[in-house]
Amino acid sequence: AQSVAQPEDQVNVAEGNPLTVKCTYSVSGNPYLFWYVQYPNRGLQFLLKYITGDNLVKGSYGFEAEFNKSQTSFHLKKPSALVSDSALYFCAVRGNNAGNMLTFGGGTRLMVKP
Amino acid sequence: GAVVSQHPSRVICKSGTSVKIECRSLDFQATTMFWYRQFPKKSLMLMATSNEGSKATYEQGVEKDKFLINHASLTLSTLTVTSAHPEDSSFYICSARGAQTVHEQFFGPGTRLTVL
Repeated sequence: AQSVAQPEDQVNVAEGNPLTVKCTYSVSGNPYLFWYVQYPNRGLQFLLKYITGDNLVKGSYGFEAEFNKSQTSFHLKKPSALVSDSALYFCAVRGNNAGNMLTFGGGTRLMVKP
Repeated sequence: GAVVSQHPSRVICKSGTSVKIECRSLDFQATTMFWYRQFPKKSLMLMATSNEGSKATYEQGVEKDKFLINHASLTLSTLTVTSAHPEDSSFYICSARGAQTVHEQFFGPGTRLTVL
């Protein structure tokens, strides 16, 4: 069975500082990895994905993530955090079989303080 | 990118009534639609998966007679919460995947259901 772990319930960072939101996964075969962001009372907004190719993936709003196969990780990063980045972030994985479902991590709340 | 809409965005109903939530893919054909439930400050829990024209596949522990899912066309799926009770109050999110976007799911904005 596939799974995703986001070890931190909350990450606090000062505005302007770099941020990292951690994600590790377990899946059979090659993974398809995703990051989504959710603002209060809203659905999920897609940030970025890794399907194949370059391990460093760049996404929306200046976010990026690095796929590390040996560590089975896909940490989300941003060089300089904004207060408006404060939200709930979800990492998700699915296997490369077309029928595989998307499995979500528990979510990490990012708080960026001015 | 592909857009998925949900209606209504918020609904309040009395206990014992039924509520229908619509999920539409606006600019692509959704061969598969997913319904999730999200509790406060929690992750998304997959309730069921539906393919156009066939019966939905429910996850373990989800009552199919209580949460009726219909996927009658390639752009519309509905979730009906029958005989709603306060414990059904939650945030319901739909997601859609098309034949051309098999690697990705596109999410609707969610529906906040409150059962009094």
